[in-house]
Amino acid sequence: DQQVKQNSPSLSVQEGRISILNCDYTNSMFDYFLWYKKYPAEGPTFLISISSIKDKNEDGRFTVFLNKSAKHLSLHIVPSQPGDSAVYFCAARDIITSYDKVIFGPGTSLSVIP
Amino acid sequence: GAGVSQSPSNKVTEKGKDVELRCDPISGHTALYWYRQSLGQGLEFLIYFQGNSAPDKSGLPSDRFSAERTGGSVSTLTIQRTQQEDSAVYLCASRLAEATQYFGPGTRLTVL
Repeated sequence: DQQVKQNSPSLSVQEGRISILNCDYTNSMFDYFLWYKKYPAEGPTFLISISSIKDKNEDGRFTVFLNKSAKHLSLHIVPSQPGDSAVYFCAARDIITSYDKVIFGPGTSLSVIP
Repeated sequence: GAGVSQSPSNKVTEKGKDVELRCDPISGHTALYWYRQSLGQGLEFLIYFQGNSAPDKSGLPSDRFSAERTGGSVSTLTIQRTQQEDSAVYLCASRLAEATQYFGPGTRLTVL
């Protein structure tokens, strides 16, 4: 029973275009969402986050959008670069029942084609 | 270094043997997590330590798995009587505050 879903296992995008990675969740108690990026043979690294009181957070080329009513968030990368090729994990925290536990999605592998 | 470190980076063992995986968190981080990533899968939560509180062991897949954290710093994940399905990358993460976890590079465990 996955609480955090990333229904696209992989995504291919041309360099310079927009990459959109999607994430859906089921637990309405999630209050904080994070995106991590993982290169092969390395641990995940934090990329960007958003609190449930916001609907958008932007950091350079990366923007995360949150639609609470739809229980959906997305990560936009503009413009996409070959170095963005990695696995992206969506994660969520439930502050009410599990303050310290973060639930990760299965990941989406992004390939940016030069 | 300033990051989370894990050792060994790779471990190959025979089925039935015990293994110990080590994690050195970022200095001062009070929370420490262990995750497992099997081939083609996401990050599976295993266990969580916070300060002197009892650890949250709810993610450990069987009683062959155990972990300890000595002195609120270094942690060791032990897998007894390893099975082939234990083969995975074991990731450690630490956290000081908020929800951002900082991950180590992982230990790739292969059970033959």
